[in-house]
Amino acid sequence: AQRVTQPEKLLSVFKGAPVELKCNYSYSGSPELFWYVQYSRQRLQLLLRHISRESIKGFTADLNKGETSFHLKKPFAQEEDSAMYYCALRYKLVFGAGTILRVKS
Amino acid sequence: GAVVSQHPSRVICKSGTSVKIECRSLDFQATTMFWYRQFPKKSLMLMATSNEGSKATYEQGVEKDKFLINHASLTLSTLTVTSAHPEDSSFYICSALAGDNTGELFFGEGSRLTVL
Repeated sequence: AQRVTQPEKLLSVFKGAPVELKCNYSYSGSPELFWYVQYSRQRLQLLLRHISRESIKGFTADLNKGETSFHLKKPFAQEEDSAMYYCALRYKLVFGAGTILRVKS
Repeated sequence: GAVVSQHPSRVICKSGTSVKIECRSLDFQATTMFWYRQFPKKSLMLMATSNEGSKATYEQGVEKDKFLINHASLTLSTLTVTSAHPEDSSFYICSALAGDNTGELFFGEGSRLTVL
């Protein structure tokens, strides 16, 4: 069965602090993982995907097959990063429950 | 980037009536679209996968006779909530799969359904 777990419903950090949004997955095949973001009053949009190994808006995520994780990281949080973040697994794009990131000034 | 448009963005209807929500890919062809339901402060719940020219695939627990999905063209999928009840009130979101096999989804802006 495919499953995506985001253990934190809400993550609150101060501006400038490091951020790590956790994501663990369960999938028997070769996983393709994504992070989607939903800013206030906007539609969901792709933030990054593991196959491209890119950094978007300062965020990175590394697929760790041993730990079945795809955590999203940013060294210095900014207020504009406040949003809802979803980790998603490709097959039918199974979504995690989402984590609200709140960056306080 | 590719654009997916949903219409209407808000709809209020009386209990027992049917409501149709459209999802259009504006600048690309989408053979596969997905319909989600989003509860307040909760994640997206995948309702069904809509494939152009064939029957939709519904997730477990989703009533196919209640939520009719039609994907008659490569740019349009529709979700019809039949005989709507207040418990069907929700935020419905569609997405279209990018045709370049990257697995990227493009999302509509969502449709808020309120059943009185």
